[in-house]
Order: sequence, then structure tokens, then C-alpha cells
Amino acid sequence: GQQVMQIPQYQHVQEGEDFTTYCNSSTTLSNIQWYKQRPGGHPVFLIQLVKSGEVKKQKRLTFQFGEAKKNSSLHITATQTTDVGTYFCAGPIKGSGNTGKLIFGQGTTLQVKP
Amino acid sequence: NAGVTQTPKFRILKIGQSMTLQCAQDMNHNYMYWYRQDPGMGLKLIYYSVGAGITDKGEVPNGYNVSRSTTEDFPLRLELAAPSQTSVYFCASSYLATFTDTQYFGPGTRLTVL
Repeated sequence: GQQVMQIPQYQHVQEGEDFTTYCNSSTTLSNIQWYKQRPGGHPVFLIQLVKSGEVKKQKRLTFQFGEAKKNSSLHITATQTTDVGTYFCAGPIKGSGNTGKLIFGQGTTLQVKP
Repeated sequence: NAGVTQTPKFRILKIGQSMTLQCAQDMNHNYMYWYRQDPGMGLKLIYYSVGAGITDKGEVPNGYNVSRSTTEDFPLRLELAAPSQTSVYFCASSYLATFTDTQYFGPGTRLTVL
């Protein structure tokens, strides 16, 4: 069945270092969304990418959508302790029509040492 | 707006007991979703609804039931609780199911079945 995989599962970095998480889908996606979940919190929407090869920036965060629309990445420059949390990518479930159903990757948990 | 609210925040159940997890949203969203999140895992869709009176199964519906009598409320019913249902449950909603829309999550209910 359809799968969305993220690597790495965990990442520990020193504050100020960069961080990247990768998202790979078994199928072509019409769009991809990224969510952040702080420890003990709930997922919060960060961004959505729609176009092949699209790159979007939010301050220190850079999001890319692959040319084939099967992979995506999130890069954080100069991490801060406020970046701690789990980052999820999600894409529409194939064949789900206009239901809004998403399939989520298992997430990448980022720990930042001050 | 309160957004998406969930009650209770925490609950401990004994095997075989039943309970209802409440979810409400005040954003006039048509689409609502129930997810479960197991440790170190992504979100798995349990049930979803595209409007009042319309519900359908997601990826992991066994052991659960839902109803959607109003636009605002989307309760999740657990019958005969089992230890495998120990998880964090998130309710989410979105206004549209188009590929440009995003999901807003509630704070979650942490359920333990002993």
C-alpha cells in the first residue's frame, strides 16, 4: 500500500548546527504538507508545497518538494532550542478524492543541546 | 475562536470498559478526522467525516465508532477497550478537502487501557 517514510527517525544536534529531515513517498503526491509537534503537544501545520521542484522558506526553515513529487525535505539552519519537536510530512491518500485524508510519515524527532 | 477542543485530556480505562472521546470545533469546518498516535509513530487515521451525518472508516477503524450529528461535534466511541488502544488520540478539522487546505488539530486525549 501507499507509504510515506521519513529519515532519520531521531536527530540530536548542538544548538547552532543545521538539521535536515527527508520524506519519501511510494507514490506521486499532488501536494505535501509539513507539521511540527512540540513535546506533549499536538501537530501544527507549517507549510504546504504543491509544485514540482518548489522551494519555500520560513525564516530559518527551508522546504523543498522534489521534481518527481515523491520526496520532500525540511532544512533548518542554525538550530535553536525552540526548534525541538517532531516534524511530520503528510500527503493526500491516493484515491481518496475530496475527503482530505492524509497519510503521515512517522516523523523525525529533533533534540537540540544548548 | 477556541479552535478544536477535546475532552478529556487524560483517561485510564480498564480492559472491557467503554468511553467516548469528545471533539468539537467552532470554525464551521465541514471535514473532521480522528487519529491515533502511538509512541515513535506517525498519525494513523481512524475515522473521518465530510459533513454532518456522513462518516467513513480510515486506516485503523476496528474497535471504534463515530457519529456526526452536527457540524461542530465528532465524538469517538471506544467499545470494549483493549490494551492495544492505549494511545494518544487527536481530532482534527479542515474547512475544505481541497489540496490547498490544511488540518487543525486539537490538544489530544491520552488514553491508557490497563
